[in-house]
Amino acid sequence: GQQLNQSPQSMFIQEGEDVSMNCTSSSIFNTWLWYKQDPGEGPVLLIALYKAGELTSNGRLTAQFGITRKDSFLNISASIPSDVGIYFCAGLNYGGSQGNLIFGKGTKLSVKP
Amino acid sequence: NAGVTQTPKFQVLKTGQSMTLQCAQDMNHEYMSWYRQDPGMGLRLIHYSVGAGITDQGEVPNGYNVSRSTTEDFPLRLLSAAPSQTSVYFCASSYSQGSVYGYTFGSGTRLTVV
Repeated sequence: GQQLNQSPQSMFIQEGEDVSMNCTSSSIFNTWLWYKQDPGEGPVLLIALYKAGELTSNGRLTAQFGITRKDSFLNISASIPSDVGIYFCAGLNYGGSQGNLIFGKGTKLSVKP
Repeated sequence: NAGVTQTPKFQVLKTGQSMTLQCAQDMNHEYMSWYRQDPGMGLRLIHYSVGAGITDQGEVPNGYNVSRSTTEDFPLRLLSAAPSQTSVYFCASSYSQGSVYGYTFGSGTRLTVV
């Protein structure tokens, strides 16, 4: 089946730093989604991307849908402590599979000690 | 508007026991799905439904059954629990408007099989 490679697996942030993570796939997707998960909660949608090349912002978050439709990145600018959590990318192909999400394995953001 | 409600939040089962994880949504979404989340594995699709009376298998369906008798409810049944089914289970519902999908996840059921 389709698989997403998400990197990095984990990273430490210091308040004020910019953060970048990305996802790549061996096959194309029609939609890319980025989610954040806090401990004990379900994933919450941050940004949705629907067109190749699309660049979308949501506050301090910016995400792009790669031109090849096989990759996407998420940037967080000027990180704050509440950015800590696990971030997931997800690819979606609507149509035959009726829009089922394929998830990356997540990027865990922690605060630098 | 409650969104997606999952019950129970926590459950401990003995090997071989059966149980049903409940999922209900009040957004009149057509699509509902179940995922399991294991450490380092992300979320993997178990079963999904595109509408009442229609279900299909996802990536990891073995050991689980589903049914969709109403638009609102999509229960997940464990037939004979095994330790390998220890995981966090998430239910999601979604709508589609052309190419735009909105996914909403429940807060999860943490299941331990001993």
